[in-house]
Amino acid sequence: QSVVTQPPSASETPGQRVTISCSGSFSNIGTNTVDWYQQLPETAPKLLIYNNDQRPSGVPSRFSGSKSGTSASLAISGLHSEDEALYFCAVWDNRLSGPVFGGGTKLSVL
Amino acid sequence: QVQLVESGGGLVQPGGSLRLSCSGSGFDFGDYQMTWIRQTPEEGLEWLAYISGPGTTIYYRDSVKGRFIISRDNAKKSLFLQMNNLRAEDTAVYYCARAWGIDVVSLHFDYWGQGTLMTVSS
Repeated sequence: QSVVTQPPSASETPGQRVTISCSGSFSNIGTNTVDWYQQLPETAPKLLIYNNDQRPSGVPSRFSGSKSGTSASLAISGLHSEDEALYFCAVWDNRLSGPVFGGGTKLSVL
Repeated sequence: QVQLVESGGGLVQPGGSLRLSCSGSGFDFGDYQMTWIRQTPEEGLEWLAYISGPGTTIYYRDSVKGRFIISRDNAKKSLFLQMNNLRAEDTAVYYCARAWGIDVVSLHFDYWGQGTLMTVSS
């Protein structure tokens, strides 16, 4: 059971917007910055968002991140079928003294 | 381009040992912090170990402290994970990942290897 919680699944239709949440506590999200990773089937995770809301070079602006208090969110607008993937949040946990990952949210683009 | 390639996975008996390797290319290997992360269907992604660029600072996840040893050889652009006293619950896909950040509490894993599967079973 991870110390940061994500919904196991989400779904939306192409062209629409979806939001994936990541809920934690003061010892992790409440104090430190959040990253988001995308894992396409049969591939390694890829850094999608870092420091709550920053996009690495090459990541489309359709992907955005935000953080408020002890929760963070990843929003994907203008959904494409190729956005079907697992999405993980990640954050340093001060109590565990290490990075922790959310359980992952499987996004279906119907 | 940046590439990380893991090797060394396979089948090992409970209580046994295995050494994973990760070869880096396309970047100044010694300038980057590196980590090992594993993934299972049950536990998802778990960070295991961190090593600074020079190899002078090391951190471990509590559940692997005393059993796993992370090390690196910057001259050979290689990262290692020595795993001892292996248990069934260590069965996972193991990834090496390059890390960057202004300090250890804001690490970002920007490149990952393809992963190597280690299975602990008799």
